[in-house]
Amino acid sequence: EVHLVESGGGLVQPGRSLRLSCAASGFILNDYALHWVRQAPGKGLEWVAGISWNSVTVGYADSVKGRFIISRDNAKKSLFLQMNGLRPEDSAFYYCAKDVDSSGWYIDNWGQGTLVTVSS
Amino acid sequence: VVLTQSPGTLSVSPGEGATLSCRVSQETISSYLAWYQKKPGQTPRLIMFATSYRATGIPDRFSGSGSGTDFTLTISRLEPEDFAVYYCQHFGNSLFTFGPGTRVDIK
Repeated sequence: EVHLVESGGGLVQPGRSLRLSCAASGFILNDYALHWVRQAPGKGLEWVAGISWNSVTVGYADSVKGRFIISRDNAKKSLFLQMNGLRPEDSAFYYCAKDVDSSGWYIDNWGQGTLVTVSS
Repeated sequence: VVLTQSPGTLSVSPGEGATLSCRVSQETISSYLAWYQKKPGQTPRLIMFATSYRATGIPDRFSGSGSGTDFTLTISRLEPEDFAVYYCQHFGNSLFTFGPGTRVDIK
């Protein structure tokens, strides 16, 4: 069974940084692309970033490009999101998600999410 | 790519049908259009992929269709568990995009 467990969320001041982690189990991580998707309270789903199985291809939403960095460590079965220059509008639940393909296509499994609150 | 979903909210009685629309800002391959269901306090659930293929465990009252720029998710007879927000999603050029969602409410 696929398990994705996010950690690293919390309260942070505007302009500061935070690093999210996602521990994956129950599947061969090397075979799949991974994503971060967020949902602010009362808002819709927003794709944040995605990374291919071998980290060669990464993509970012315009709203986070230049501030967030997605990375993975297949040996440690982990996905990361380094969030710099945080803004109040980045406040949301952040979900780690597994793609069905090695490069990206659609998402078939989600973690439970970790809450990030950006506020002074 | 921009996805537009309509209507924003759909009020339907249990047992009735619902038709949800997703318009993509540019011509897209049908393989790259998916639909998800989201309920409060739950993680999103894949409903449909490649426009018209039901995900594992999704009942056949859900169906998908469309091509080019216009795609549709149809729920033929709404059950109580179907009331939720539905999002379409597009993949292209290593980028994902979600639509703003259609909320299906109990009438």
